Amino acid sequence: GEDVEQSLFLSVREGDSSVINCTYTDSSSTYLYWYKQEPGAGLQLLTYIFSNMDMKQDQRLTVLLNKKDKHLSLRIADTQTGDSAIYFCAGGGADGLTFGKGTHLIIQP
Amino acid sequence: KAGVTQTPRYLIKTRGQQVTLSCSPISGHRSVSWYQQTPGQGLQFLFEYFSETQRNKGNFPGRFSGRQFSNSRSEMNVSTLELGDSALYLCASSLRGPEETQYFGPGTRLLVL
Repeated sequence: GEDVEQSLFLSVREGDSSVINCTYTDSSSTYLYWYKQEPGAGLQLLTYIFSNMDMKQDQRLTVLLNKKDKHLSLRIADTQTGDSAIYFCAGGGADGLTFGKGTHLIIQP
Repeated sequence: KAGVTQTPRYLIKTRGQQVTLSCSPISGHRSVSWYQQTPGQGLQFLFEYFSETQRNKGNFPGRFSGRQFSNSRSEMNVSTLELGDSALYLCASSLRGPEETQYFGPGTRLLVL
């Protein structure tokens, strides 16, 4: 099955860009996703990318997909305190999503 | 459109009891998936229902079960609760299946004492 790896923590200064990285093992996922989880809350779908795309931009969010290296990244421009959360990348298919352990994004003032 | 709703939001049970959690998907979504989130294991897929049928199941013991009703609402049941069942249980809905974009509810936080 799918295996998804993420670094556990990322600390950035307010106003800088944040780049959260993810690697996965299974190339068969049709879509790859980024979800955001704030304390005590469920998962909020941030964005997703179709597996035959290289890049997708959505306002402050940019997703890059390198299929050869099985590497997915999420860039958040102009990071704000409200972006402080855990970010999960996920892929999968009919047998459900496989999630990384999540990256805690910490914003320094 | 209303999002995915889950009830109850919080639950405290003791070992050996059983519990039922409920999930109402987004209107028009027919697939409901359930996930367990714990600090140690992260997010893990439990099972998926479509048209009242379980189509896929994750690697969980038979104490974990579920069902789906004709209106696509779903329930999951955990029998003979163990301390390790303490977790956030998340429900997600999609139009036709988990291979499509899934939208998550706020979760039910279960504490087993």
